[in-house]
Amino acid sequence: GAGVSQSPRYKVAKRGQDVALRCDPISGHVSLFWYQQALGQGPEFLTYFQNEAQLDKSGLPSDRFFAERPEGSVSTLKIQRTQQEDSAVYLCASSLEGPPGNTIYFGEGSWLTVV
Amino acid sequence: KQEVTQIPAALSVPEGENLVLNCSFTDSAIYNLQWFRQDPGKGLTSLLLIQSSQREQTSGRLNASLDKSSGRSTLYIAASQPGDSATYLCAVRRRSGGGADGLTFGKGTHLIIQP
Repeated sequence: GAGVSQSPRYKVAKRGQDVALRCDPISGHVSLFWYQQALGQGPEFLTYFQNEAQLDKSGLPSDRFFAERPEGSVSTLKIQRTQQEDSAVYLCASSLEGPPGNTIYFGEGSWLTVV
Repeated sequence: KQEVTQIPAALSVPEGENLVLNCSFTDSAIYNLQWFRQDPGKGLTSLLLIQSSQREQTSGRLNASLDKSSGRSTLYIAASQPGDSATYLCAVRRRSGGGADGLTFGKGTHLIIQP
């Protein structure tokens, strides 16, 4: 596609509910990143894929967070047993090649509110 | 741990003024530095990417400089326009011995250009 596409754009979840957020990167992009952005803050790194391999998941805040990219294109970020502190914008980004040099392109984010 | 600081946190200026946004980072071992723009409710749009070997990059009315040794970057906006109103985020891409190279973001400068 023309850009990074994320769905759903908005999600309201009841505390304790599981959610799944989808990211379609730009076609052919090898690298895929997930970030979490709380209100008034800069994005915080969650995890990184190079093709289907998850090379870094050091930013995932707890074992309730899980990400996958089984065929090296579409990725899903899953949050189990959501809590209020999970409320944030979840941004997906992709770049053409692996690190380090290329421009990273962001999607418009999935806005998660946990009530 | 890399920390990125942006000053000022917020800025409001009349249309037509030239302005400078500042970014500092604590670890100079970076691959590159990227400036982004974020409009309310939107994702991030890449403005300028400066590789670690470069000193500056220009795009239209925007000029970004990088002084890696001192851990500083500036974004210069010439002849500001109301359409420049947005949050500007600075991010550095770290070097690593392996694994992922995620971006570390500052909290952003919220810019308002008054008509």
